[in-house]
Amino acid sequence: AQTVTQSQPEMSVQEAETVTLSCTYDTSESDYYLFWYKQPPSRQMILVIRQEAYKQQNATENRFSVNFQKAAKSFSLKISDSQLGDAAMYFCAYEAAGNKLTFGGGTRVLVKP
Amino acid sequence: DSGVTQTPKHLITATGQRVTLRCSPRSGDLSVYWYQQSLDQGLQFLIQYYNGEERAKGNILERFSAQQFPDLHSELNLSSLELGDSALYFCASSVGAPRWTQYFGPGTRLLVL
Repeated sequence: AQTVTQSQPEMSVQEAETVTLSCTYDTSESDYYLFWYKQPPSRQMILVIRQEAYKQQNATENRFSVNFQKAAKSFSLKISDSQLGDAAMYFCAYEAAGNKLTFGGGTRVLVKP
Repeated sequence: DSGVTQTPKHLITATGQRVTLRCSPRSGDLSVYWYQQSLDQGLQFLIQYYNGEERAKGNILERFSAQQFPDLHSELNLSSLELGDSALYFCASSVGAPRWTQYFGPGTRLLVL
């Protein structure tokens, strides 16, 4: 079974600084998709970024970028120029042919003004 | 706003009761997913429907059932409720399955007393 591990329960970052969240996953599939979702205090699940495993280029979305290391099964999220609105729980998620999303345990990001 | 709607937003009920959670997917999306978020189990996939047909099943209890109607909205029925069923229930939708990004609704917060 696929598993997703987020080893950092909580990360703190100064406003305007950069923070990197770690995610590792275990799979025997070669074709799959990886996601980062953000869950602010409102509890809404918001898609941050998506990466296709067959693409070597790392995905970027404005201040959010990933470092995808397929061989190492690692998928980290970098938040640059952190803003107060970035404070939230961040979940790494995996999807393969089974369609369902498998989530990690989440990392809470605190942003200090 | 993801375009996925869920009703009700909050639900308080007693043990042994039955409730129905409703989800309307984004316009054009054929696939609906249900997830449960609880403190002890994290985010877990329950069940998926695609164009009215059950496509995949996860850790869904026998007391729980779901269906997707011809207009593509979906309902999750929870019966013989227990205290441990208290959780945030999310619906997500995607254009198709697999490989399409899932967009989440705001969730229904269920409290069983």
